[in-house]
Amino acid sequence: GIQVEQSPPDLILQEGANSTLRCNFSDSVNNLQWFHQNPWGQLINLFYIPSGTKQNGRLSATTVATERYSLLYISSSQTTDSGVYFCAVEQGTSYDKVIFGPGTSLSVIP
Amino acid sequence: KAGVTQTPRYLIKTRGQQVTLSCSPISGHRSVSWYQQTPGQGLQFLFEYFSETQRNKGNFPGRFSGRQFSNSRSEMNVSTLELGDSALYLCASSPGTAGDTQYFGPGTRLTVL
Repeated sequence: GIQVEQSPPDLILQEGANSTLRCNFSDSVNNLQWFHQNPWGQLINLFYIPSGTKQNGRLSATTVATERYSLLYISSSQTTDSGVYFCAVEQGTSYDKVIFGPGTSLSVIP
Repeated sequence: KAGVTQTPRYLIKTRGQQVTLSCSPISGHRSVSWYQQTPGQGLQFLFEYFSETQRNKGNFPGRFSGRQFSNSRSEMNVSTLELGDSALYLCASSPGTAGDTQYFGPGTRLTVL
């Protein structure tokens, strides 16, 4: 089946720094999403981005489907950005078997 | 609008028992998806219900089942619990079209002793 990898596995940032998180996938996908799970376990959908670039405030994401990777950019990081970031891919036309990556654990320190 | 609610928030069961978890989606949402999160396996998709029908299913044994009611509320059931079923179970709701944002509940933490 499809493999999803994320890098780096762990990241520590000083508040105000920028970062780039990467998601690689081993096969073509129909959909890709980025999620943030805060330290209390709440999961939030950040982007639905099968291709192209999207921006939402300090966060932006780019997916290059032909090269099978996606990037999540966090600019001017804040302590509230701490948590785990997951990418998830879907190979079907709808919600067929969503596959999550292992996540990147981000800690933003003041 | 009220968010996604899950009950109970915490649950302790023993091996062999069965458990039922409940998820109430955001009003107007017709799709409910269930996920299991464990330290070892990470986040895994269980199944998705849309308009009372299971639309998609992940790779889990038949002990894991679910259903959706006419008001879109969903339940998932795990029978013959095993220690490895200890996990955070998350549900997410969305309007139901591919590409819709999914909104997650706070999860149910199940511990199997």
